[in-house]
Amino acid sequence: SQQGEEDPQALSIQEGENATMNCSYKTSINNLQWYRQNSGRGLVHLILIRSNEREKHSGRLRVTLDTSKKSSSLLITASRAADTASYFCATADTGRRALTFGSGTRLQVQP
Amino acid sequence: GAGVSQSPSNKVTEKGKDVELRCDPISGHTALYWYRQSLGQGLEFLIYFQGNSAPDKSGLPSDRFSAERTGGSVSTLTIQRTQQEDSAVYLCASSLGGWGTEAFFGQGTRLTVV
Repeated sequence: SQQGEEDPQALSIQEGENATMNCSYKTSINNLQWYRQNSGRGLVHLILIRSNEREKHSGRLRVTLDTSKKSSSLLITASRAADTASYFCATADTGRRALTFGSGTRLQVQP
Repeated sequence: GAGVSQSPSNKVTEKGKDVELRCDPISGHTALYWYRQSLGQGLEFLIYFQGNSAPDKSGLPSDRFSAERTGGSVSTLTIQRTQQEDSAVYLCASSLGGWGTEAFFGQGTRLTVV
């Protein structure tokens, strides 16, 4: 079963707008990561946030983590058409070796 | 190599045939993972290797699926007596430190069982 569940499943915005994606999970985690996937092939790592961190920035990306609510959000600011992709959260659970991925959010940025 | 390499990129096979999918991880990465992704879906965990051993193979969907890793490097995922529901993209990833570290993905093998 999927550990993380992303919300929304699909998001369509105009270029220049901000995009926010949310992820909820169920178990205790060591860290949470966000990945991007273009065209249904390989995933690319975007950012990692540890369980003792609350917020992290990387370029136009901002990630928050609330371990009390078991949720995370990914904000992409000033979106570009090239940001069009699927975005997945993945948790490194304290009781499991491998990353557990959510079902993803499909982001469409209209030029 | 510079990244994780998977072969073949695409594989079409007849129902009932066996297939082997190969993964070459990044040199020096001790952890290797196999995932499966059906069209428009999330990633389903199959198996995790640390070195040559597989401490977590809980995701293998049936005994038709097996995987091995030799020399702490190349891994092969074998599916015996393929079924149509095995059709998916099979993704391999590797990481330096194993548990919970950044994973680097290959481009996947798209398997179609006809």
